[in-house]
Amino acid sequence: KAGVTQTPRYLIKTRGQQVTLSCSPISGHRSVSWYQQTPGQGLQFLFEYFSETQRNKGNFPGRFSGRQFSNSRSEMNVSTLELGDSALYLCASSLDYNEQFFGPGTRLTVL
Amino acid sequence: DAKTTQPTSMDCAEGRAANLPCNHSTISGNEYVYWYRQIHSQGPQYIIHGLKNNETNEMASLIITEDRKSSTLILPHATLRDTAVYYCIVFSGGSNYKLTFGKGTLLTVNP
Repeated sequence: KAGVTQTPRYLIKTRGQQVTLSCSPISGHRSVSWYQQTPGQGLQFLFEYFSETQRNKGNFPGRFSGRQFSNSRSEMNVSTLELGDSALYLCASSLDYNEQFFGPGTRLTVL
Repeated sequence: DAKTTQPTSMDCAEGRAANLPCNHSTISGNEYVYWYRQIHSQGPQYIIHGLKNNETNEMASLIITEDRKSSTLILPHATLRDTAVYYCIVFSGGSNYKLTFGKGTLLTVNP
């Protein structure tokens, strides 16, 4: 079974721009969660989608948004990028309320 | 979700068992103990989880104390590739479906 895939793997943007990251879950998984990992704050939960609906949300500003498509693929968007948004963004998929399987992440650098 | 406490770092000799402790004294009856690990700059990898009983899979064993206030992850024959940050997470799922990662334990396996 193919694992969770994330694209792109690396991204460089400048302040004020916006970015869209993509996540393809494991086949059959309907839950997709997003996490941000930085050296200072560690791994932090952004949001979770299930069947195209946002089911849970972490404590991030409204500049961070996401969506899920009918095939369970998910995208997250960050608008008006700030230097502090530089991070590894991780996507995880799961069957409902089971262990989460993580992708390799997208490394975003904001200059 | 309940908080967890783990040592910051541990060392282990290659071929020996690695025993990683975790305290979760405020765990609730419906909360599971999950273990993940993260090898540098990769996505976290699910290892094992349990509720009350000890669990074993091809990667590791999980020993949970009878009062459920602490647990130990055991890697029976550590290899150099097991060097990683190990996260112990208490998770109930349900309506609050997110993983709350702490700082974890950096396990270094030495030759």
